[in-house]
Amino acid sequence: SAVISQKPSRDICQRGTSLTIQCQVDSQVTMMFWYRQQPGQSLTLIATANQGSEATYESGFVIDKFPISRPNLTFSTLTVSNMSPEDSSIYLCSVDDGTNYYNEQFFGPGTRLTVL
Amino acid sequence: EDQVTQSPEALRLQEGESSSLNCSYTVSGLRGLFWYRQDPGKGPEFLFTLYSAGEEKEKERLKATLTKKESFLHITAPKPEDSATYLCAARDQAGTALIFGKGTTLSVSS
Repeated sequence: SAVISQKPSRDICQRGTSLTIQCQVDSQVTMMFWYRQQPGQSLTLIATANQGSEATYESGFVIDKFPISRPNLTFSTLTVSNMSPEDSSIYLCSVDDGTNYYNEQFFGPGTRLTVL
Repeated sequence: EDQVTQSPEALRLQEGESSSLNCSYTVSGLRGLFWYRQDPGKGPEFLFTLYSAGEEKEKERLKATLTKKESFLHITAPKPEDSATYLCAARDQAGTALIFGKGTTLSVSS
């Protein structure tokens, strides 16, 4: 399985600022995803990070708030912009190797964000 | 609308007391039913993927099964280190990302 790392592991930020989260994979992968896990809740998909093109966002999430980059097949970033306390969550990167129709999906360790 | 529902929300067991966690799903054209373990402050750890009704997979004290409407995660003779939140997720025929349930938090005491 792919080994996924995220930076930072946690951060405390002030309202109105932005934070960029990095996701690095030890092998080339086709699909990369960003999820949010709010306190006491399960995981919600924010967007699919597409290599070489714009990310595909889920309902309720917009590019201005969560801009995503995917410059190559091993790296992606998620920016949380103009933060408010409601953005306090764990942000998780996941990958799908996309080699066949039935793909397993693996997760990074997460970034715990607290907004004051 | 695709949906994944897990029960119970929380489960307390004594060490050695076997039990099962349930995951019910309504997904068009299921293309994988996933089980993950999540420890506090960490990302989900992949456990199993099941693809077709009748399929079973085992790993140590855990056994996952799948029917056309639900999946079970059976825990045999659990130990305190099995304490975690267990997440179930489904992928439909059209999608690539996963639809998650809210999880079952398991506590095993010695």
